[in-house]
Amino acid sequence: GENVEQHPSTLSVQEGDSAVIKCTYSDSASNYFPWYKQELGKRPQLIIDIRSNVGEKKDQRIAVTLNKTAKHFSLHITETQPEDSAVYFCAADFSGGYNKLIFGAGTRLAVHP
Amino acid sequence: NAGVTQTPKFQVLKTGQSMTLQCAQDMNHNSMYWYRQDPGMGLRLIYYSASEGTTDKGEVPNGYNVSRLNKREFSLRLESAAPSQTSVYFCASSEGFNEQFFGPGTRLTVL
Repeated sequence: GENVEQHPSTLSVQEGDSAVIKCTYSDSASNYFPWYKQELGKRPQLIIDIRSNVGEKKDQRIAVTLNKTAKHFSLHITETQPEDSAVYFCAADFSGGYNKLIFGAGTRLAVHP
Repeated sequence: NAGVTQTPKFQVLKTGQSMTLQCAQDMNHNSMYWYRQDPGMGLRLIYYSASEGTTDKGEVPNGYNVSRLNKREFSLRLESAAPSQTSVYFCASSEGFNEQFFGPGTRLTVL
């Protein structure tokens, strides 16, 4: 069935280090992969997304890579800051364009000063 | 622009009671969604509406009904609440195959 697995569930880094979160998905037809950040008690907000026609996308300290053959995609955060502390969710669209997202279970990132 | 708004913010129900969660967006988006968020399980899609007048089931539709009242509003109804429906409910909207904007959420407890 349609599934997105996300690892690790928790991640603790020192300020300035890099953080990497990985997701795998089950359906090779998926072609849209967003990442959301959710701060404690707040709503999820999109931080970056990638479509299947590209392998990598960067936005300042955040990058996402996609390997369609292996059916996995990753979020990379460089030079982490305390304000990066949050829960991060990956997702995949299995609906062929209707934007019906299946989310991973989330990664709680803690950045320590 | 208020974006996506939801009412109420908090609600406590007794088992068997019914209630409707309201959602509205002012971004003129065609698509709207209802999710539930449980600890350790991420966000799960309950129902979605690709356009005014259409609705379809998501991953976990059992126990819920929805109404797309007009382009702005999408409501979620629990006819007979159960403790398993204790969760945080998020509404979202998007324009086609693009970013989904989430509302602030409704924290529901069913006793």
